[in-house]
Amino acid sequence: SSELTQDPAVSVALGQTVRITCQGDSLRSYYASWYQQKPGQAPVLVIYGKNNRPSGIPDRFSGSSSGNTASLTITGAQAEDEADYYCNSRDSSGNRGVFGGGTKLTVL
Amino acid sequence: QVQLQQWGAGLLKPSETLSLTCAVYGGSFSGYYWSWIRQPPGKGLEWIGEINHSGSTNYNPSLKSRVTISVDTSKNQFSLKLSSVTAADTAVYYCARGLIAVAGNGYYYYYMDVWGKGTTVTVSS
Repeated sequence: SSELTQDPAVSVALGQTVRITCQGDSLRSYYASWYQQKPGQAPVLVIYGKNNRPSGIPDRFSGSSSGNTASLTITGAQAEDEADYYCNSRDSSGNRGVFGGGTKLTVL
Repeated sequence: QVQLQQWGAGLLKPSETLSLTCAVYGGSFSGYYWSWIRQPPGKGLEWIGEINHSGSTNYNPSLKSRVTISVDTSKNQFSLKLSSVTAADTAVYYCARGLIAVAGNGYYYYYMDVWGKGTTVTVSS
């Protein structure tokens, strides 16, 4: 079982806004990081820290956090955003990494 | 631009030891947590463990009895060994660079910003 909980699947109409959430007690101490994974590819970091995007990640991706919940928001979803998204943090002790179960995003 | 190149045996028999190595090119080896993650077919990501440049390790408790992660700073490489493999260990294995830092206001941040391409490991008799 994962210490971070994500909805298994979310869908969004093309050009609309979608929020993917991640819940876990450790998120009260650690900012979540978010990864996009397309079929057959390695995960790619899209958001880290309070709301930071690595170079090359479009600004339609943003992150936020409140209490034990972290959110990844895609504003104006594009067809190429269809992918699996994973949140990641440390466990409550800080001694190991943990991933959420992943959310499959479908862009309609 | 930091790159990770990983390699190792892709087909194992039950009870054998999985062995993978990841080489770090183009960046500093110190100050980071060098990590291993795996993904069984059709499933999510599982964190296996990590090592820093001084050799301090952290492991997933569910795998701790079978996992060893080591580092060779002279070659900028780190390695994963997983003993007594079974079919349940069949997965794509990734190496990655991790960073933990103080963010302020009581928070930390942790992320893995550079990933290897992955190695498919199949365990079958």
